[in-house]
Amino acid sequence: GNSVTQMEGPVTLSEEAFLTINCTYTATGYPSLFWYVQYPGEGLQLLLKATKADDKGSNKGFEATYRKETTSFHLEKGSVQVSDSAVYFCALSDQGGGADGLTFGKGTHLIIQP
Amino acid sequence: NAGVMQNPRHLVRRRGQEARLRCSPMKGHSHVYWYRQLPEEGLKFMVYLQKENIIDESGMPKERFSAEFPKEGPSILRIQQVVRGDSAAYFCASSRTGGNSPLHFGNGTRLTVT
Repeated sequence: GNSVTQMEGPVTLSEEAFLTINCTYTATGYPSLFWYVQYPGEGLQLLLKATKADDKGSNKGFEATYRKETTSFHLEKGSVQVSDSAVYFCALSDQGGGADGLTFGKGTHLIIQP
Repeated sequence: NAGVMQNPRHLVRRRGQEARLRCSPMKGHSHVYWYRQLPEEGLKFMVYLQKENIIDESGMPKERFSAEFPKEGPSILRIQQVVRGDSAAYFCASSRTGGNSPLHFGNGTRLTVT
């Protein structure tokens, strides 16, 4: 079956530091890959996505590249801000992203200190 | 345009009681999905509903859990005779047409069973 593994948190960084949150996946076929973000007290929001190998998703300064050869979709940001503090979920879908096909990782709690 | 509304935000129940969680999808959305997030776990799909129909309930526990999405009113996730292991955050998401259409999540209901 499908599975998503992401680095455990919490990840604590200083403001303006470089961020990487690792995500690897196991899936049959060619899934679509997603990063969702959950700010304190809120629901999940789609941050970015990539639907095929070598695609790069980007949004709000965050980027992730779909690497089929390493089955990875690591999230990166060059300079984090305190407002980026949240829980980040990596997910995959083998049905184009519909909720019935989404498999989530456990989430990585990111804490940015001023 | 209001987002996905879930209530209550927090729900405390004693063992053996019933829990009812409500979800009003975004305006114009007729597809509703329920997810459960156990402590230290990722989101797990529970059930996918359209108006008056259960499309996929493969993630629902076989006993005590039920869901409905009536023609009028919110979707309801019902847990009978709650146990401590039911303590979790329950998230609802909606989409306009299912399939590849974007998901919008509510802020969740945090159920605590004492």
